Amino acid sequence: DIQMTQSPSSLSASVGDRVTITCRASQDIRHDLGWYQQKPGKAPKRLIYAASSLQSGVPSRFSGSGSGTEFTLTISSLQPEDFATYYCLQHNNYPRTFGQGTKVEMK
Amino acid sequence: QVHLVESGGGVVQPGRSLRLSCAVSGLSFSNYGMHWVRQAPGKGLEWVAIISIDGNEKYHADSVKGRFTISRDNSKNTLFLQMNSLRVEDTAVYYCAKGSRLPDSWGQGTLVIVSS
Repeated sequence: DIQMTQSPSSLSASVGDRVTITCRASQDIRHDLGWYQQKPGKAPKRLIYAASSLQSGVPSRFSGSGSGTEFTLTISSLQPEDFATYYCLQHNNYPRTFGQGTKVEMK
Repeated sequence: QVHLVESGGGVVQPGRSLRLSCAVSGLSFSNYGMHWVRQAPGKGLEWVAIISIDGNEKYHADSVKGRFTISRDNSKNTLFLQMNSLRVEDTAVYYCAKGSRLPDSWGQGTLVIVSS
């Protein structure tokens, strides 16, 4: 199975901060990765697919980069509605595997 | 607008069975692969299973293999998850999600509690 190691597990940030979250895959997954945002009590929402493609309707302050084994989700200027938990998901192989999640909290 | 509605959750004793359903509207259901993903209370997301558009290809997570089975009825625009031999650790919110590779649209989830 492909292991997805996500870091950090949590971070504290302020509105306007630049935030970076990383996912490392245990083997090469090309660009087969997506990023999701989840707020408490809600279903996840896809932000990024194919590692760097922005989902329609998602603000441009969100961006994804990387390929192979190293991937990054960046929020260029954190907004109040961005405090949430973020997950990566690889779809290169079965079983699909999520990262452990990163909780973005208000400083 | 795509709409996914899960049902069938509830409280069940260990070792018993439960069948979850996911009713899909607002799209051509038979054109999309479908997933089940679960989330234990206070924990992260865990991918459970995927099924191809015609139902002929299915993959399940190791944690549920041999106990859970994903299926679909394209004539009724409905996805299923048959869960047998349930364990306490299967307690979670179960989400269905549309996507042939990567889930995009998700339902709101149905809670399954396995407890004696």
